[in-house]
Parts: sequence; structure tokens; C-alpha cells
Amino acid sequence: QQQVKQSPQSLIVQKGGISIINCAYENTAFDYFPWYQQFPGKGPALLIAIRPDVSEKKEGRFTISFNKSAKQFSLHIMDSQPGDSATYFCAATSFQGAQKLVFGQGTRLTINP
Amino acid sequence: DAGITQSPRHKVTETGTPVTLRCHQTENHRYMYWYRQDPGHGLRLIHYSYGVKDTDKGEVSDGYSVSRSKTEDFLLTLESATSSQTSVYFCAIKRGGVTDTQYFGPGTRLTVL
Repeated sequence: QQQVKQSPQSLIVQKGGISIINCAYENTAFDYFPWYQQFPGKGPALLIAIRPDVSEKKEGRFTISFNKSAKQFSLHIMDSQPGDSATYFCAATSFQGAQKLVFGQGTRLTINP
Repeated sequence: DAGITQSPRHKVTETGTPVTLRCHQTENHRYMYWYRQDPGHGLRLIHYSYGVKDTDKGEVSDGYSVSRSKTEDFLLTLESATSSQTSVYFCAIKRGGVTDTQYFGPGTRLTVL
């Protein structure tokens, strides 16, 4: 009930292409879905987040698409750049209160120049 | 790193020894968290705190204890370290206001031999 499943585990995209990472959750009580970006040797950094009252949120080249009925959400990185090469984690939680994040397994993204 | 420091940043210890990791925040936030990161598992919540002396268990709390005697400090203790506790440990705080989400520290890499 608490799981968040993330795919793919690794992804290679050419510079300028679109990177797509998918996540699915089980717990219908989840109502907050952040994405984190992590570079080697660093802590995860919040990239973008969405609440289920909208189906899409865009910030620069990063877009979250959300499908409440399917319990799925995805991250799209447009015009992918070598500097986007990192590990990406989706997460889910209830927004109010303790906000105990449940993370996906992570996706290692490599952007080839 | 959102005003979060973790110490030590690296530690090697032997099985059976006690270990304490420290998380320090400078922004006076109510919520603090300890996660561990392992390949294939993403990040998993160990314990969290919602105020001084107020703590609760997360998903993987067995073998760990925590304490919070001051708002700014959250300690994670492995009473008797085991090799399965070799991991990277991240502290996080939850900021209030509009963003109201978690921000992570730089991490502590712990190796238990």
C-alpha cells in the first residue's frame, strides 16, 4: 500500500531530446508528489512538485504530468542537457502533517552530448 | 543545503559499536527527518521528529533510535551497528509556508565493517 514504483532504472537520452520518467503509487491518501534531483555525493534537491488538483505543472524545461485515476505521474525534461545528468527520484506523501515521503527506486539519467 | 549540516560526513566503524549521527539546522523548523539511501531502494524514512522530544518511527526504524533535545539538533543512534546499516544517511527538514516540503542535508556515508 505504501509503495511507489519508478521506471526506468536507467535512461540514456541524446542532448536536445525529451527525457521521460514514470512513477505509479498505490495509496489513494497520497496527495503530494515531489520530484528530487540528486548529483553524486550530494543530497537530493527538490526539483518540482504537484498536487492532484491539477493534471500538469511546468517549470522551465521540467513538466510533471499527473493521472489521478491511473495513480500515475511522470516527469518530462524537455531539451535535455548534459547538466541534467543525475539520479531522479519521485516521491509521494500526504501533504498535511508529518509528510512522510515514500520514494521511488530512482532513475539514473545520462544525457549524451 | 537549506541550512542543514550533518556530521560526520564519513564514518567507518566496526560491527557492534555504537554510532551517533548528528543533524543540525539553522532555521528553527519543527519537522526533522532521517532517511537512509541504498541502491535499488531509493530513500527510506527511519525516524522523524515533530518537535523537541517528539519523535516517531518511519518505515525502517529497527536498530535505530533518535533524540531531539533542542529544536536545531536531531540525533540518530545505531546502538550496535551491523553491516546491514552500511548506507548513506540523509537528514531533512520540512519548511513551512507555501513551499511546505522537505529539503535535504548533504548526507553521511557510514560503513560498518
